[in-house]
Amino acid sequence: DTGVSQDPRHKITKRGQNVTFRCDPISEHNRLYWYRQTLGQGPEFLTYFQNEAQLEKSRLLSDRFSAERPKGSFSTLEIQRTEQGDSAMYLCASSLGREDEKLFFGSGTQLSVL
Amino acid sequence: KNQVEQSPQSLIILEGKNCTLQCNYTVSPFSNLRWYKQDTGRGPVSLTIMTFSENTKSNGRYTATLDADTKQSSLHITASQLSDSASYICVVIPRAAGNKLTFGGGTRVLVKP
Repeated sequence: DTGVSQDPRHKITKRGQNVTFRCDPISEHNRLYWYRQTLGQGPEFLTYFQNEAQLEKSRLLSDRFSAERPKGSFSTLEIQRTEQGDSAMYLCASSLGREDEKLFFGSGTQLSVL
Repeated sequence: KNQVEQSPQSLIILEGKNCTLQCNYTVSPFSNLRWYKQDTGRGPVSLTIMTFSENTKSNGRYTATLDADTKQSSLHITASQLSDSASYICVVIPRAAGNKLTFGGGTRVLVKP
């Protein structure tokens, strides 16, 4: 499978715990995006990388959230001190980087904070 | 106010029938408008991409139209199949926004046999 892969598919955690998600983009794609989606809503932009550089962060990304893409390939999204409001689907997408091209999304990580 | 509004919120149709989904937007100027299909528990998959100068774009049984004057787009599904049951999301990309997408809330379509 050469698509975008995310791990884990599901994560259940207790409030206050830290969680980390991983995204492996399509190999030649230099742009990587993180989105968050709650039930019945469209995805909301969180942040994106051009290679290893994090170019933009949404105001939705509080200081408890941090994303990295150390070698310009895979990326991790960490949430510290999780809250129940963090429960959502976290989607990763990648692209070659041109404005008019489509994004390829992974299947997401479903986070449930109890 | 959400810059992309979709209607209806949900839709039930019989297998084999056609349906049309609507997307109204206020994002301006925009680079391109996209329709995505999202199956339950999966990431969105691109169906069509239209620049502001295009009026229509087809992908198999899916046809998207764009009226930049009225700021409306529609997605028409022809001869629906059970596998068309999904959420359909309209996405408008502001000019110079790269791929930082503004998603609509989607229309949930259920195709019944």
